[in-house]
Amino acid sequence: SSELTQDPAVSVALGQTVRITCQGDSLRSHYAGWYQQKPGQAPILVFYGENSRPSGIPDRLSGSSSGNTASLTITGAQAEDEADYYCNSRDNTGDHVIFGGGTKVTVL
Amino acid sequence: EVQLVDSGGGLVQPGRSLRLSCVASGFTFDDHAMHWVRQAPGKGLEWVSGISWNSGRVGYADSVKGRFTISRDNTKNSLSLQMNSLRLEDTALYYCARDTSPYFDSSGYYFDSWGQGTLVTVSS
Repeated sequence: SSELTQDPAVSVALGQTVRITCQGDSLRSHYAGWYQQKPGQAPILVFYGENSRPSGIPDRLSGSSSGNTASLTITGAQAEDEADYYCNSRDNTGDHVIFGGGTKVTVL
Repeated sequence: EVQLVDSGGGLVQPGRSLRLSCVASGFTFDDHAMHWVRQAPGKGLEWVSGISWNSGRVGYADSVKGRFTISRDNTKNSLSLQMNSLRLEDTALYYCARDTSPYFDSSGYYFDSWGQGTLVTVSS
């Protein structure tokens, strides 16, 4: 079955830039969605599709895609960006949703 | 304000049943497909099931197919998940989530609003 692979953890210095990646065969055909989840809270959609950012999400969070890899870039990381980030996509059958395992972002 | 309120979770023995509910407000419910996503303690997100705006299309994760049934009532702005033959591994926080699209199998499956979650614990 389709899978999405994410690095378990990354760290970034305050104000610097970090890229979180998500790899999977389904991403060659479908754009990813990206979710931010802080401890004890429900996930929040922060970027999706080719180039869509929900209202209220700061523009320092941006997404991109190339081949089988989707990326979420945080430019000028802030303390409030410290969270778990998940990607998702439809799988290649079209009727299943798959999530990556999540990346824990630590802002130093 | 968009709001999704999940309920119905609890402690249940293996093999028993439970029904989760999600009541929506603040938006036109039948403009959106809806989904259930779960998160086991300390683990990542796992999609469980989805349903199109008019209930015409539904889908299930392989791990719950044949045991869980998703449904919606657009007259009551509500989404349900009937969970039968529960297993220890079904223990998780269950979230209802709104899709950006009305359709189930032709959308990108982007979930732009989530409930607060309802905890299901399967234990003997």
